[in-house]
Amino acid sequence: GAVVSQHPSWVICKSGTSVKIECRSLDFQATTMFWYRQFPKQSLMLMATSNEGSKATYEQGVEKDKFLINHASLTLSTLTVTSAHPEDSSFYICSATGLASQETQYFGPGTRLLVL
Amino acid sequence: DQQVKQNSPSLSVQEGRISILNCDYTNSMFDYFLWYKKYPAEGPTFLISISSIKDKNEDGRFTVFLNKSAKHLSLHIVPSQPGDSAVYFCAATYDGTSYGKLTFGQGTILTVHP
Repeated sequence: GAVVSQHPSWVICKSGTSVKIECRSLDFQATTMFWYRQFPKQSLMLMATSNEGSKATYEQGVEKDKFLINHASLTLSTLTVTSAHPEDSSFYICSATGLASQETQYFGPGTRLLVL
Repeated sequence: DQQVKQNSPSLSVQEGRISILNCDYTNSMFDYFLWYKKYPAEGPTFLISISSIKDKNEDGRFTVFLNKSAKHLSLHIVPSQPGDSAVYFCAATYDGTSYGKLTFGQGTILTVHP
C-alpha cells in the first residue's frame, strides 16, 4: 500500500516555542491531507483538512492561528504548533489520500509532542 | 460528544478462537464505516469497511456486521492469530467514502495468546 511518513517521530520542547511536524506521501500524490490529534485513552480527533494549494479547513474548537497547516505540494503538508503549551502535548498523526490511493486514507506513524 | 464509541478498552482471546470487537455510534447520518488496525509506532492501516446499505461484509478472516437499527457494528476475526494483536479502531463517515472526514472510536486493544 501507499506510504506516509512523519517527521519527527517525537519531540520535546519548551513552553512558548514553536514546533513543526512534517507529513509526506512517499509514493503517491496526496491531494488531501488530514491532521488528527489523540490524547491518552481517547480517540483520534480530526483537527483539520488540507487540500494542496488551498487553505486548510479547521474543525470546530481548533485554533487556526495556533495550529498552522501548510500543504504547499502534493507530497508534503506541515503542521506548526505555535507558542506551544503543556496542554498541547499529544500524539499528532496525519493521513493522506489522493488519486492513486482512492477510497482510503493512508496514515503516518504519528508524532509524539511533549511540551515542558 | 463521542459519536463513535468502543466501550471495551481491551480484549484477550486464545489463538484459533473468534475475536469480536464492538462499536456503537450515535449519529444516524453516518453512512460508511471502517475498521483500522494499529501496531505500536505505526499509523492505523485500513482493514475492512461496510456501507450502510449492507449488513455484512467479509474479507478472508475478517467480517464486519452492521446493525443500523441498533447503531452498532462489530468486527469478527476468525480464527484469531497472534499477529492480530494490535489496537483496533472503528471509524465512521457521512460522505459515503473512506477518504473523507473520519470520526474515530477510542480503540480496543486486542491480545491474541498463542
